[in-house]
Amino acid sequence: KAGVTQTPRYLIKTRGQQVTLSCSPISGHRSVSWYQQTPGQGLQFLFEYFSETQRNKGNFPGRFSGRQFSNSRSEMNVSTLELGDSALYLCASREGQAGTDTQYFGPGTRLTVL
Amino acid sequence: TQLLEQSPQFLSIQEGENLTVYCNSSSVFSSLQWYRQEPGEGPVLLVTVVTGGEVKKLKRLTFQFGDARKDSSLHITAAQPGDTGLYLCAGDRYNQGGKLIFGQGTELSVKP
Repeated sequence: KAGVTQTPRYLIKTRGQQVTLSCSPISGHRSVSWYQQTPGQGLQFLFEYFSETQRNKGNFPGRFSGRQFSNSRSEMNVSTLELGDSALYLCASREGQAGTDTQYFGPGTRLTVL
Repeated sequence: TQLLEQSPQFLSIQEGENLTVYCNSSSVFSSLQWYRQEPGEGPVLLVTVVTGGEVKKLKRLTFQFGDARKDSSLHITAAQPGDTGLYLCAGDRYNQGGKLIFGQGTELSVKP
């Protein structure tokens, strides 16, 4: 099976712009979670989607949003970009919502905000 | 406040040495995972521990989950340069779904 794929891998934007990142989960996986990774804060949970519904949300401002499509693919959007949004954005998929379902991570999208 | 405290943050050792990484919390977790991440890549799962007191071995790596399910450790025996990378512990709290709580990570460098 192909792993989790994320596009694009690298992105450079300027302050005030918006950006959309895409994630394709492992075939058969219906849950997709998004994380932000920075040197200072480490990995922080953004949100989780299951069956096109947001199931859980982290402590991020409303500028961060996401959605999931019927084929389980997910996108996250960040509006009005700030310098502090520069980070590696990771997507993880898992089969279902059971606590024992393992999360598999994609390679991430490196976002740089200038 | 970091919910999962991971230590040490940096570790530089010689090939053949042993090391232990700790992951501590005041909270109880339903399970705890250990990941390894290489530069430019996403974290790769090494192991999941779910039972208090559980010990799992993966070749030279030994993982332990505390009896109270609040802490965990990763022990590497006879480290090799190929073990170099960022090691992350991540806890799954009850009824939190896919929201993993990560430690800050341990940057391990093994010199030949």
